[in-house]
Amino acid sequence: SQKIEQNSEALNIQEGKTATLTCNYTNYSPAYLQWYRQDPGRGPVFLLLIRENEKEKRKERLKVTFDTTLKQSLFHITASQPADSATYLCALESGGSYIPTFGRGTSLIVHP
Amino acid sequence: EAEVAQSPRYKITEKSQAVAFWCDPISGHATLYWYRQILGQGPELLVQFQDESVVDDSQLPKDRFSAERLKGVDSTLKIQPAELGDSAMYLCASSLDLSGRNEQFFGPGTRLTVL
Repeated sequence: SQKIEQNSEALNIQEGKTATLTCNYTNYSPAYLQWYRQDPGRGPVFLLLIRENEKEKRKERLKVTFDTTLKQSLFHITASQPADSATYLCALESGGSYIPTFGRGTSLIVHP
Repeated sequence: EAEVAQSPRYKITEKSQAVAFWCDPISGHATLYWYRQILGQGPELLVQFQDESVVDDSQLPKDRFSAERLKGVDSTLKIQPAELGDSAMYLCASSLDLSGRNEQFFGPGTRLTVL
């Protein structure tokens, strides 16, 4: 069956360090993979999109990698700040299906 | 900046009652999504519209849930009758069109509590 896995345990890091979050998937062939940020009680906010033929995408302090062989995406936040504390969700769809599926998200806590 | 509007923000109801949620997507967005999110889980797609047509409603409990987007603009999600297990956040999102290359814009959500 199709599955998207994100670490259910919260990631605790110190301010200034790099946070790395993982999104693994099985039985999907996604044409695109997206990352969203969600704060408590709010709707998710889009951060980055990466295509299946791209290995890496950057935006300011954010970097996303996409390995279709490993079926994995890594999301990095460099020079992390307490304001980066939130839940980060990955979302993907298989090429042609147009139906998005979200992972459960990983909570990031950045300590000052 | 254009935003997705949802109302109400909070709804408390008793089981067996009917509830309705409203969503107004960003102007010009053809695709509209309704999600249900339980605390600690990711958003689960309930129904997806392209203009006024349903693209997917395979996860919508059709015995009690209904959704419509009559003029291809705003949308209503209804639950009748509500059950205790329906307590969750209901999120509406919109995107330019059907494709994973388009980001989804989410509204603030409606927090439903069924007593």
